[in-house]
Amino acid sequence: DADVTQTPRNRITKTGKRIMLECSQTKGHDRMYWYRQDPGLGLRLIYYSFDVKDINKGEISDGYSVSRQAQAKFSLSLESAIPNQTALYFCATSGETGSSTEAFFGQGTRLTVV
Amino acid sequence: KNQVEQSPQSLIILEGKNCTLQCNYTVSPFSNLRWYKQDTGRGPVSLTIMTFSENTKSNGRYTATLDADTKQSSLHITASQLSDSASYICVVSAGGYNKLIFGAGTRLAVHP
Repeated sequence: DADVTQTPRNRITKTGKRIMLECSQTKGHDRMYWYRQDPGLGLRLIYYSFDVKDINKGEISDGYSVSRQAQAKFSLSLESAIPNQTALYFCATSGETGSSTEAFFGQGTRLTVV
Repeated sequence: KNQVEQSPQSLIILEGKNCTLQCNYTVSPFSNLRWYKQDTGRGPVSLTIMTFSENTKSNGRYTATLDADTKQSSLHITASQLSDSASYICVVSAGGYNKLIFGAGTRLAVHP
């Protein structure tokens, strides 16, 4: 089983619909992250959480919200999806000890907004 | 502005050949530099992590170098295999996981 699991793996939705992407991890890490990846661009941070009560905006949080339901679960929501949110979304986790700690990524969710 | 630029954007090599991928960065403060491999349809997987004081680090057939003075890094792949076909992403940390700056990646295709 994967250490970081994202669901769904693929999703097509219509403009204006609300959609939730889910992430769960078995690494026991406190820190979780949501990124999006667009063709020709590097991954960009949407939101991150350092523990269950902690939520922080990343570089591109507009149009997104998150929920940290438990240490192992971190969900990303698009309240009203728009076509330019079509992208590949990745969840990641990391441990606490220093910036050299390894990060583990999920397999990604490919979202298409039509 | 913190930036990570990678070259080339894409590369095709024959199986068994060596190749070198480049990464230039303007990130401050600098904490560490990472190389990730991303197979198509999958999440990035770490290859190496180097701090300021490390000049080179190897992981099997992958060898990363870092020149902190010129702010350049390279990833050398030796005796390439078909399974090396992937995107290779250079990532520079400005101090924490909320401060990772990702390059756009180099897409490598290894042909038989």
